[in-house]
Amino acid sequence: AQKVTQAQTEISVVEKEDVTLDCVYETRDTTYYLFWYKQPPSGELVFLIRRNSFDEQNEISGRYSWNFQKSTSSFNFTITASQVVDSAVYFCALSEANNNAGNMLTFGGGTRLMVKP
Amino acid sequence: GAGVSQSPSNKVTEKGKDVELRCDPISGHTALYWYRQSLGQGLEFLIYFQGNSAPDKSGLPSDRFSAERTGGSVSTLTIQRTQQEDSAVYLCASSMGGGFVEQYFGPGTRLTVT
Repeated sequence: AQKVTQAQTEISVVEKEDVTLDCVYETRDTTYYLFWYKQPPSGELVFLIRRNSFDEQNEISGRYSWNFQKSTSSFNFTITASQVVDSAVYFCALSEANNNAGNMLTFGGGTRLMVKP
Repeated sequence: GAGVSQSPSNKVTEKGKDVELRCDPISGHTALYWYRQSLGQGLEFLIYFQGNSAPDKSGLPSDRFSAERTGGSVSTLTIQRTQQEDSAVYLCASSMGGGFVEQYFGPGTRLTVT
């Protein structure tokens, strides 16, 4: 069975600091996808990124970057020069192929990031 | 374009009453998912629809929960004889289906059972 662990329940940083959110996953499948979602105080889950299990290339999007390492089953998320607007709960999720459940997401427990001015 | 919409945004009901939660997916999205977010359980998967069909209903927490989807679009999640432990935010998501694609979430329905 799949599992996602986000060991950091809460992180507090001061604006402009860099911060890394950790995500470790477990799966028996060789084909899977990993995701990060952001949940701001408004409550709506916002899709940030999807990576497939065959592509370990790191990705950068503006101040956001993701490091996917299959050797350690990790998919970490770094925010560079954090801003107050980055304050939110961030969820890492795993999706495996499942005919009966489609591409259901298994979520980690989330990391609450607080960026202070 | 329009995102996933859910109604009502908030629902307060008395224990034992039935409730219906509605989800309007993104137009053209064939796959639809229901999740529940609660303090104790985090984000948990409930049920998946491909078109109007839900192949597996074992993710639903109890037989008081049911869901349907009509016309390959709108879905309703029904909870009968609500209990206090049903209090949670119910989230709907849709995706294009046909592979590993990202899911887009609605704003959720916050259900409070008193």
